[in-house]
Amino acid sequence: NAGVMQNPRHLVRRRGQEARLRCSPMKGHSHVYWYRQLPEEGLKFMVYLQKENIIDESGMPKERFSAEFPKEGPSILRIQQVVRGDSAAYFCASSPLTGTQETQYFGPGTRLLVL
Amino acid sequence: DAKTTQPNSMESNEEEPVHLPCNHSTISGTDYIHWYRQLPSQGPEYVIHGLTSNVNNRMASLAIAEDRKSSTLILHRATLRDAAVYYCILRPSYDYKLSFGAGTTVTVRA
Repeated sequence: NAGVMQNPRHLVRRRGQEARLRCSPMKGHSHVYWYRQLPEEGLKFMVYLQKENIIDESGMPKERFSAEFPKEGPSILRIQQVVRGDSAAYFCASSPLTGTQETQYFGPGTRLLVL
Repeated sequence: DAKTTQPNSMESNEEEPVHLPCNHSTISGTDYIHWYRQLPSQGPEYVIHGLTSNVNNRMASLAIAEDRKSSTLILHRATLRDAAVYYCILRPSYDYKLSFGAGTTVTVRA
């Protein structure tokens, strides 16, 4: 059973470009969470999605960031007009159920570098 | 969110036990205690969780104080592969978010 997959693993963008980060949850998991880890900081929750629904986006910056989890295909975290402060590791996690104590299984992360 | 306090770092020798403390004096009755770890350049990995009673699994043991204001993660025999940042997280029963702090960086000496 493959784990959570994220791609690309590394992404370099210039200021003003768009970044698209993809996350394929574990087989059978329909809940996806995105976290961001800024340099020298802990992971911070960004958004929680179920198939075709955003459940909680309280941790998402109000501008330039969006997330989706379509019926088919991976979850996408999209950052428009990237700035240097967006440089970070972005992790997604998945869980099979909506239970609040469900284990979250994390992917290896996408490391975004904005030049 | 209720806060946890962990030492910044701990060192251990290979094949010796490691006891990682976590203080959570403001824990509420509905908070579960979760531990995750993050190996270098990887995503976090679930270790163990509990509410009131001590818990054991193949990775570790979790000892929870009777008043629940503190807990200890026990790695019974540290290996070099256990070198990681260990996060103690309080997770309310109604919440799905994981709130990561700074964690404890564990170094294992061969």
